[in-house]
Amino acid sequence: EAQVTQNPRYLITVTGKKLTVTCSQNMNHEYMSWYRQDPGLGLRQIYYSMNVEVTDKGDVPEGYKVSRKEKRNFPLILESPSPNQTSLYFCASSFGTANTEAFFGQGTRLTVV
Amino acid sequence: QQQVKQSPQSLIVQKGGISIINCAYENTAFDYFPWYQQFPGKGPALLIAIRPDVSEKKEGRFTISFNKSAKQFSLHIMDSQPGDSATYFCAAYRGYYNTDKLIFGTGTRLQVFP
Repeated sequence: EAQVTQNPRYLITVTGKKLTVTCSQNMNHEYMSWYRQDPGLGLRQIYYSMNVEVTDKGDVPEGYKVSRKEKRNFPLILESPSPNQTSLYFCASSFGTANTEAFFGQGTRLTVV
Repeated sequence: QQQVKQSPQSLIVQKGGISIINCAYENTAFDYFPWYQQFPGKGPALLIAIRPDVSEKKEGRFTISFNKSAKQFSLHIMDSQPGDSATYFCAAYRGYYNTDKLIFGTGTRLQVFP
């Protein structure tokens, strides 16, 4: 089954404790991205990757890091989480560019206390 | 800076009615306009999309109307059903200066009552 898999689905952590949210896709997509969803703000792009070892900032990259060492994986790293990073996070992938159908993961609800 | 403005924020419709969600954009470089549907606890999924060379696209009960001169597009859900209750996001694609991203609206929570 074609899918984007995120882990974990739910995470509660404390301020400053490094964490990684994993994302994996099995569709051989080149383009992957991370979004955060906040009430009243919609989906905002954090980082995106157009291929292996090619990543770039989205609209809200501060406090986040990503890596793309393999085509299928695109982890999101929070080196020192803060309460304002409490949000619902989605990983997405698509063929080529963002100008095609994006497939989203199930989401990771992160709470930073 | 919100480049895609979506309204209303929430919408309540009776079963069988028409649901209408509107979006407006500013950047004339946008050339792909998808709508995504998100059910509670799930990620968004592509519902329907349009390019600016057509004024309307219909797929079943879902229709996108596109007005290029006004820089507006809307989603119409005919014969709305309780199963359509979800959050809907409009989006616009921007690809230039070696950047490449979808810009999403703020979302509309649709509730369809029997």
